Amino acid sequence: GAGVSQSPSNKVTEKGKDVELRCDPISGHTALYWYRQSLGQGLEFLIYFQGNSAPDKSGLPSDRFSAERTGGSVSTLTIQRTQQEDSAVYLCASSLGGSNQPQHFGDGTRLSIL
Amino acid sequence: EDQVTQSPEALRLQEGESSSLNCSYTVSGLRGLFWYRQDPGKGPEFLFTLYSAGEEKEKERLKATLTKKESFLHITAPKPEDSATYLCAVLNSGGYQKVTFGTGTKLQVIP
Repeated sequence: GAGVSQSPSNKVTEKGKDVELRCDPISGHTALYWYRQSLGQGLEFLIYFQGNSAPDKSGLPSDRFSAERTGGSVSTLTIQRTQQEDSAVYLCASSLGGSNQPQHFGDGTRLSIL
Repeated sequence: EDQVTQSPEALRLQEGESSSLNCSYTVSGLRGLFWYRQDPGKGPEFLFTLYSAGEEKEKERLKATLTKKESFLHITAPKPEDSATYLCAVLNSGGYQKVTFGTGTKLQVIP
């Protein structure tokens, strides 16, 4: 079956521009997560959705970052006024949402800010 | 705050040379410990979930074990295709599904 799909796979943009990253989770998965992975670093938790609501936004690094999820499915992560330190791989994962369910990851969007 | 520490950071093995990767954790009530494999340019691939001390899971050449403070991923007679970064993560007993990841062990298996 189809896994988690992320687009674009690569994005290069200039500092100060806004970017939108998209995540299409596994069908039927109610929980959705965004992470950031920088070179040599672990996965940094950004935000978690259960259905369309985000009970935990604690990981968003600044108010330039926002995310939404519509219809309990597709999610977009938006970064406004990008900075060079935003360069990283942004990973999306989904799970069945029940306790202890493992997360299944997409292959990420590699974001480079010039 | 939950913490996950993985060691070693990197490991180089000859094909067939068995070894273990370590994941030490501190968490406010463990609800689950996860192992993932990540290949370059790919997202992490789920391997195992362990729920309580004493539990073990196996898949091909991999065996994961769990104690109250750490987990081990044992690799028996590894092959070059086992080369990857192995990530450990913990889920605490809090209300949200927030998983804390370690920084991983990069394994290279040489033919």
